[in-house]
Amino acid sequence: ETGVTQSPTHLIKTRGQQVTLRCSSQSGHNTVSWYQQALGQGPQFIFQYYREEENGRGNFPPRFSGLQFPNYSSELNVNALELDDSALYLCASSLGTSQHSNEQFFGPGTRLTVL
Amino acid sequence: AQSVSQHNHHVILSEAASLELGCNYSYGGTVNLFWYVQYPGQHLQLLLKYFSGDPLVKGIKGFEAEFIKSKFSFNLRKPSVQWSDTAEYFCAVMGRPGNKLIFGAGTRLAVHP
Repeated sequence: ETGVTQSPTHLIKTRGQQVTLRCSSQSGHNTVSWYQQALGQGPQFIFQYYREEENGRGNFPPRFSGLQFPNYSSELNVNALELDDSALYLCASSLGTSQHSNEQFFGPGTRLTVL
Repeated sequence: AQSVSQHNHHVILSEAASLELGCNYSYGGTVNLFWYVQYPGQHLQLLLKYFSGDPLVKGIKGFEAEFIKSKFSFNLRKPSVQWSDTAEYFCAVMGRPGNKLIFGAGTRLAVHP
């Protein structure tokens, strides 16, 4: 059973640029959730994708957007990067419904630094 | 507002000491509760979870947690810690039904030999 993988591992961008982060979900899972973990804080929910549709969103601006593909892998896109976007971005996959997500399995994360 | 509060940001223990990490949550409804652990350089891993039934839940590596509904608490315990338990521990809640985890700020545990 392949776990959740994310790429790239590390990324350095400058303010104003755009970034795309990628996530491959665990085999058999249909749901992907994205979280932002700032230094010294717990992960914060960005949004979730269920069967290629956005299925819930946290308190993040529209410049944070995503996609889920037919194979249930996912991308997180961030436009107009700001210094405060520097964080560890975590992807979690799960098997669920549009109403409920079961246990979420996390990937290793992508460390984004915005200069 | 939905929130999770972890009482201690940093805990330092000697090997064989007992551990209890506090977690309280605020959520207007039925919840599922989780403790995750993040070892240095590794990804978040599930330690244990409570969905329903016996409020005393046993997880991996000798950890357990007790759900006390009246206190909105889900404290993590281990009778005797090891150096390898050095990690950051996160308490999280998910509404039932629900699709997002709400995490506490984490507790960084350092165990000295």
